[in-house]
Amino acid sequence: KQEVTQIPAALSVPEGENLVLNCSFTDSAIYNLQWFRQDPGKGLTSLLLIQSSQREQTSGRLNASLDKSSGRSTLYIAASQPGDSATYLCATGTASKLTFGTGTRLQVTL
Amino acid sequence: SQTIHQWPATLVQPVGSPLSLECTVEGTSNPNLYWYRQAAGRGLQLLFYSVGIGQISSEVPQNLSASRPQDRQFILSSKKLLLSDSGFYLCAWSVGGSYNSPLHFGNGTRLTVT
Repeated sequence: KQEVTQIPAALSVPEGENLVLNCSFTDSAIYNLQWFRQDPGKGLTSLLLIQSSQREQTSGRLNASLDKSSGRSTLYIAASQPGDSATYLCATGTASKLTFGTGTRLQVTL
Repeated sequence: SQTIHQWPATLVQPVGSPLSLECTVEGTSNPNLYWYRQAAGRGLQLLFYSVGIGQISSEVPQNLSASRPQDRQFILSSKKLLLSDSGFYLCAWSVGGSYNSPLHFGNGTRLTVT
């Protein structure tokens, strides 16, 4: 059974700092890995999807990497802004299903 | 463009009452549809998914059921709610037939069973 872990559970950084969020998973037989953002009381917004054959994906200030062999993914956020404050979740995809981690709650302070 | 609608946004129901949550997707055909539940401090739990009309797969044995009466409509139901059914319910869709399509979520329903 796939297990997805995100550490730390919470993170606070000053505005402008670059930061890395970590995601690890136990079963490397995945189709893809996805990163989402969730604002309080809202649904999830898809940020990036990395296919199993890819090493990384970029969107604006976000860069996600995938190392299947070690069961790890990272989400790099450059030049953080207060608007980046949210919970970030990663999920591994197999066929039609995703397995989610419990998320990292990020606060970017002024 | 594709949009997903989920309602109601909040719901307070007594124990033993029935439940019906509805989700519809616009702008795409034959999507994969999902119901997830998010409990406080816990990850998202997949409850049901569907790859086509009338095709429902259940991930967690419980007193909930799902139906897909139309291509872009997904309904989550219960005949008698339990206190443990409280949580944040999220509907989602992805492109049908693709294993590498991002998941797109609705805004969720906050259910409180009293």
